[in-house]
Amino acid sequence: EAQVTQNPRYLITVTGKKLTVTCSQNMNHEYMSWYRQDPGLGLRQIYYSMNVEVTDKGDVPEGYKVSRKEKRNFPLILESPSPNQTSLYFCASRALGGGDNEQFFGPGTRLTVL
Amino acid sequence: EDQVTQSPEALRLQEGESSSLNCSYTVSGLRGLFWYRQDPGKGPEFLFTLYSAGEEKEKERLKATLTKKESFLHITAPKPEDSATYLCAVLNTGGFKTIFGAGTRLFVKA
Repeated sequence: EAQVTQNPRYLITVTGKKLTVTCSQNMNHEYMSWYRQDPGLGLRQIYYSMNVEVTDKGDVPEGYKVSRKEKRNFPLILESPSPNQTSLYFCASRALGGGDNEQFFGPGTRLTVL
Repeated sequence: EDQVTQSPEALRLQEGESSSLNCSYTVSGLRGLFWYRQDPGKGPEFLFTLYSAGEEKEKERLKATLTKKESFLHITAPKPEDSATYLCAVLNTGGFKTIFGAGTRLFVKA
């Protein structure tokens, strides 16, 4: 089954404790992206990656890091989480060129930073 | 600055009562406009991509249309299972950044 997986699905942590949210896709997609979703603000893009070792900032990259060492994986790293990073996070992937350019989304990770 | 605005924020319909959701956009160059459906606690699910003004696409009770400034998602004779948040997004001509609207929450009562 074609899918995007994220782990963990739920996470409660404390300010300053480094964490990583993993994302993996099995569709051989070149493009992967991270979003955060907050009430009233919709989905905002954090970082995206066009391919292995190619990443770029989205609209809200502050406080986040990413890496793309393998095509299927795109982890999101919070080096020193703060309460304003409490949010619902989604990873997505899509193929580049052809098709409907649609993104496939993971199930989401709900993060709470105390 | 690229921007997407959706209206209304929320819409309550009776089963069978047709209506439309609006998505207004400003983008430096449009590569595609997308509609997604999102159920509570789940990731968005792709519905349509529209590429140029005048284009229309249909899927069951949903029909999406596009002009140079806005898109509409028409819902014909909705059913309770159509209740969800509908998200609109644009992809600019760079092809790398996607801008989402805040969504319209649709409630359909039996």
